[in-house]
Amino acid sequence: DAKTTQPTSMDCAEGRAANLPCNHSTISGNEYVYWYRQIHSQGPQYIIHGLKNNETNEMASLIITEDRKSSTLILPHATLRDTAVYYCIVMSGGSNYKLTFGKGTLLTVNP
Amino acid sequence: DTGVSQDPRHKITKRGQNVTFRCDPISEHNRLYWYRQTLGQGPEFLTYFQNEAQLEKSRLLSDRFSAERPKGSFSTLEIQRTEQGDSAMYLCASSLVYSNNEQFFGPGTRLTVL
Repeated sequence: DAKTTQPTSMDCAEGRAANLPCNHSTISGNEYVYWYRQIHSQGPQYIIHGLKNNETNEMASLIITEDRKSSTLILPHATLRDTAVYYCIVMSGGSNYKLTFGKGTLLTVNP
Repeated sequence: DTGVSQDPRHKITKRGQNVTFRCDPISEHNRLYWYRQTLGQGPEFLTYFQNEAQLEKSRLLSDRFSAERPKGSFSTLEIQRTEQGDSAMYLCASSLVYSNNEQFFGPGTRLTVL
């Protein structure tokens, strides 16, 4: 599975959009981009995933560049409860089982 | 609450003792995963089951570790002769085969080896 690079930490003001970047320049054609987050003292939580097209659900939007070498997770109106470590994971559609987590981005939402 | 439960939530043990953790997945989920997470790191994959079959084990899973899922429902993870380096959060997750691989994680078991 392709390696990902994320900033170590980011800050965001409550109510503003949080844009979390992820680089995955070695991604191959059948690999999906997944995002999970982990709130302190809890297990990770699935947010969203995509292959090529932009995706949106009730939690977030995922924007994948046309060359698929990077993506951005957007939380449109961040709240204090969105403070968490966000993990970008690239995974082959064929493997479809183990998640390979990096260190992720600690997003702190400030009042 | 994701529907995945783990027991106990915390375990303190002395080096050399054996410990066993239990995971109850979401009832209809046929895949079950174990991960380990140390401080400041993301979770690391240990092993996974599809129904009762253990299909992959990470090289992280030494001979002192054994996992079972006897009836394809709950799973246990046993660590024999614990070492201080085993201190970590042990996370269980479950999912459906042929789903979008959304894994539902339990709250974890925090192991401290003294």
